[in-house]
Amino acid sequence: AQSVTQPDIHITVSEGASLELRCNYSYGATPYLFWYVQSPGQGLQLLLKYFSGDTLVQGIKGFEAEFKRSQSSFNLRKPSVHWSDAAEYFCAVVASTGNQFYFGTGTSLTVIP
Amino acid sequence: EPEVTQTPSHQVTQMGQEVILRCVPISNHLYFYWYRQILGQKVEFLVSFYNNEISEKSEIFDDQFSVERPDGSNFTLKIRSTKLEDSAMYFCASSSDTLYEQYFGPGTRLTVT
Repeated sequence: AQSVTQPDIHITVSEGASLELRCNYSYGATPYLFWYVQSPGQGLQLLLKYFSGDTLVQGIKGFEAEFKRSQSSFNLRKPSVHWSDAAEYFCAVVASTGNQFYFGTGTSLTVIP
Repeated sequence: EPEVTQTPSHQVTQMGQEVILRCVPISNHLYFYWYRQILGQKVEFLVSFYNNEISEKSEIFDDQFSVERPDGSNFTLKIRSTKLEDSAMYFCASSSDTLYEQYFGPGTRLTVT
């Protein structure tokens, strides 16, 4: 069965520091992977996605993620965090047999001045 | 930019009552979804809907739940007889094609007392 693990429940970084949010997935075939961000009171906004090809994908707001099949990971990175990046981040995988998303439990990001 | 909208933003109901959560997907999208997120837990898939019928549903989506697209714009989730454990944030999403990115609404917080 498909599953997604986000080992970090909460991360605090200083503004301007680099960021890496971890995501590991369990899936038998080539996964389709996504990162979503949820600001308070808002819906889930897509940051980036990986379907195939280049394993380093660029997204909106300066985020990128790298697909590493050998590690079953799809970690999200940003070189310099802004205060407005404080939010909840969700990694998700789509089952190839259907179109339901499997989400991780999320990582809450706090940015301190 | 087109967006998915949901009403109401917060619904309080008594156990045993019926509730209808409403969503307006993006106008040219063909696939529609409902997810829920119990407080502190991951976002869980409930159901997907295409061509006026359910295409996939999870084990959570039992006989108490139903979905409908009553007209050309709305997509509704009905819970026939709410239970305390139905208290959650319910997200609607839509996509233009299967496996394409899903656009999420801001959610409806359902509180069952």
